[in-house]
Amino acid sequence: AQSVTQLDSQVPVFEEAPVELRCNYSSSVSVYLFWYVQYPNQGLQLLLKYLSGSTLVKGINGFEAEFNKSQTSFHLRKPSVHISDTAEYFCAVIKGKTSYDKVIFGPGTSLSVIP
Amino acid sequence: DVKVTQSSRYLVKRTGEKVFLECVQDMDHENMFWYRQDPGLGLRLIYFSYDVKMKEKGDIPEGYSVSREKKERFSLILESASTNQTSMYLCASSLRIGEQYFGPGTRLTVT
Repeated sequence: AQSVTQLDSQVPVFEEAPVELRCNYSSSVSVYLFWYVQYPNQGLQLLLKYLSGSTLVKGINGFEAEFNKSQTSFHLRKPSVHISDTAEYFCAVIKGKTSYDKVIFGPGTSLSVIP
Repeated sequence: DVKVTQSSRYLVKRTGEKVFLECVQDMDHENMFWYRQDPGLGLRLIYFSYDVKMKEKGDIPEGYSVSREKKERFSLILESASTNQTSMYLCASSLRIGEQYFGPGTRLTVT
């Protein structure tokens, strides 16, 4: 069965420092990969996605992620974080080509940016 | 911008009550989803619908049912609420692969 692992449940980081949120997935077939962000008291919002092509994907708010097929990873990075980046981040995977194929979400990583 | 709205942000119900959670999207999306979110477990899919009157079970459908009479509206029904259904419920809609648009969520407490 498909699964998504987010190795860190909580990541504290100082403002303006770089951050990496780790994500690994299990799959023997091609997948589509996503990162979602959930700000306090809000629903989830799509941050970026990998469907095909370049393995380095850029998203909103200065985030980027790199797809590594050999390591089955899709880590999220930002070179300099802001207080406003404090949120819950979810990695997600989908195996399929229709818009209603199931999205499998990871358990989430809580990013806390310290002033 | 896509807008997904949910009828309540907070809801408190008693054990055994029938509970209706409503979700409306305004972008003519074919697909709609109901998830529950619990700490440490991420999001788990309860039901989804890919067309009016069509529904499919997700990973945890037990104790829930859904209704989709109109394209823009997808309702989640708890037939007889129980304390283990206390959770955050998130509705989403989508048009493209994996790109889901979420509502703000309904935090349901069953006492």
